[in-house]
Amino acid sequence: SQELEQSPQSLIVQEGKNLTINCTSSKTLYGLYWYKQKYGEGLIFLMMLQKGGEEKSHEKITAKLDEKKQQSSLHITASQPSHAGIYLCGADPGNAGNMLTFGGGTRLMVKP
Amino acid sequence: ETGVTQSPTHLIKTRGQQVTLRCSSQSGHNTVSWYQQALGQGPQFIFQYYREEENGRGNFPPRFSGLQFPNYSSELNVNALELDDSALYLCASSFRAGGTDTQYFGPGTRLTVL
Repeated sequence: SQELEQSPQSLIVQEGKNLTINCTSSKTLYGLYWYKQKYGEGLIFLMMLQKGGEEKSHEKITAKLDEKKQQSSLHITASQPSHAGIYLCGADPGNAGNMLTFGGGTRLMVKP
Repeated sequence: ETGVTQSPTHLIKTRGQQVTLRCSSQSGHNTVSWYQQALGQGPQFIFQYYREEENGRGNFPPRFSGLQFPNYSSELNVNALELDDSALYLCASSFRAGGTDTQYFGPGTRLTVL
């Protein structure tokens, strides 16, 4: 079965600083999703990556999928308190119809 | 707002009881998936329904069952509740058009089993 490992598990940054979250898969990624979750709430879709080398951006958040399709990174530029939350990567193991496997999450706190 | 709603928001049950959680998908979405998220962990896939039929199941016992209705609503039923069933239960809906389809999550139901 596919496993996703996220690093770091938690992160505290000063407002305005840049940060990167990584997601490493034990198998080839066919679809990699990034979600954000406020504590105890539902998941908000951020971006989906499919092709090796693909990069997508939304506002100050950029996500990349490496060429070998086994690792993805999420980069936040000039972090703000509104970026605080839990970032989760999810993968569709073998293009099975979106029965997603998730990583353990990265808990981000942004200090004003 | 994702257009996916869940009820109730919170629920407290005792061990051995049965519970039904409800989800209302986005209009037109033909697929609904349910996930269990224990405190401090990522969500775990329970099962998926496509056009009212179970389409796949994760590593969960048969006491976890579900239904999907034609009106874009669905249910998750859990029998013989155990303490470890305490978690946030999330439903996610999508429209399957082939390949990878984005899932939109509801706000979740927090279940506490005492």
